[in-house]
Amino acid sequence: SQQGEEDPQALSIQEGENATMNCSYKTSINNLQWYRQNSGRGLVHLILIRSNEREKHSGRLRVTLDTSKKSSSLLITASRAADTASYFCATGTGNQFYFGTGTSLTVIP
Amino acid sequence: GAGVSQTPSNKVTEKGKYVELRCDPISGHTALYWYRQSLGQGPEFLIYFQGTGAADDSGLPNDRFFAVRPEGSVSTLKIQRTERGDSAVYLCASSLNDPPTEAFFGQGTRLTVV
Repeated sequence: SQQGEEDPQALSIQEGENATMNCSYKTSINNLQWYRQNSGRGLVHLILIRSNEREKHSGRLRVTLDTSKKSSSLLITASRAADTASYFCATGTGNQFYFGTGTSLTVIP
Repeated sequence: GAGVSQTPSNKVTEKGKYVELRCDPISGHTALYWYRQSLGQGPEFLIYFQGTGAADDSGLPNDRFFAVRPEGSVSTLKIQRTERGDSAVYLCASSLNDPPTEAFFGQGTRLTVV
């Protein structure tokens, strides 16, 4: 079953703008990860944040985690056309990952 | 290998037939996962292996689905008596850490049941 739910389902922005995606989940987690998927095939790991962390950065990515609200956000700064993809959060519980429903991001050149 | 390899990349089969989907994980990765993804949806967990054993098969939808990993490396997902509703992209991932931190995904097998 899918744990997380992303919001919005679809997002369209101009190149150079920031993109923010949110993920809400239902149960306790060990960590939360964000993945990117192009063209409905393989997923690529972007960043992991542990349950005892509140914020993490990697390049143009910023992830926050609020375990009291069971939510996370992914911010992509200074977006590029190449960032166009689907983005999924995955909640880590034990040794499994459960994916959310995804946000489809379109960056218009 | 350099990455997770899944074969075939596409499979078309007739309703009622048996299919096998293969996953070759990254060398040395002890954890292996199978997911199923329908159009417009997120990947749905099917089964997780740690070494040769299925540590969690709670995501397998019914007894037509079965997966093995006899030597702790290559895994095969087997679907009996395929139905049109089984049509999806089947994704395999492997991970080094236990518990896992980052999963590396293959490009998936697109299964179409006609």
